[in-house]
Amino acid sequence: QVQLQESGPGLVKPSQTLSLTCTVSGGSISSGSYYWSWIRQPAGKGLEWIGRIYTSGSTNYNPSLKSRVTISVDTSKNQFSLKLSSVTAADTAVYYCARHIAVAGTDYFDYWGQGTLVTVSS
Amino acid sequence: SYVLTQPPSVSVAPGKTARITCGGNNIGSKSVHWYQQKPGQAPVLVIYYDSDRPSGIPERFSGSNSGNTATLTISRVEAGDEADYYCQVWDSSSDRYVVFGGGTKLTVL
Repeated sequence: QVQLQESGPGLVKPSQTLSLTCTVSGGSISSGSYYWSWIRQPAGKGLEWIGRIYTSGSTNYNPSLKSRVTISVDTSKNQFSLKLSSVTAADTAVYYCARHIAVAGTDYFDYWGQGTLVTVSS
Repeated sequence: SYVLTQPPSVSVAPGKTARITCGGNNIGSKSVHWYQQKPGQAPVLVIYYDSDRPSGIPERFSGSNSGNTATLTISRVEAGDEADYYCQVWDSSSDRYVVFGGGTKLTVL
């Protein structure tokens, strides 16, 4: 059973960079043809996909966030990470990591982390 | 960019059938996936590829997709089905990205 766990600071100052890590257990992050994604959810609002990475390092980002997002992978640690620069209060949200299946022209998420709340405030 | 439209809320009595719609331009040509999210919890995949159920999801959950509307149907609704439901597609246009609907709050009366 694959499990994902987000970690990182719960409080980030405006204009700084938000950094989160997702640790995958129960299987190798490199096994199978999976992508790994970050998704966020502001309080009381819907889900927003941030971006995905393949274990080769290939990435795709939400066009609305692309200029500020970097997703990377460390296969030796079975982890992937998110960096979001120049944050504002609008970036306050619960951030989820998820396993991202991309097959036959479509994508979906079959395993999710529990989520971690990141607040942007001075 | 591709837009998915869901009703903000749907109410249903226990034992009845709930139908949650997801509208999008020619959505029938895409594969639609559905997630259930209970308060304080991460989303859970309940339907993928329009109508397939992951292991462990009750047969009461089913899906369909045609034309401009995809539908998640929950039969014999139980109190435990009360949650937010989100539809999702992959937009394979030049931007290539994941799109979520705005979510529907299912209330069991």
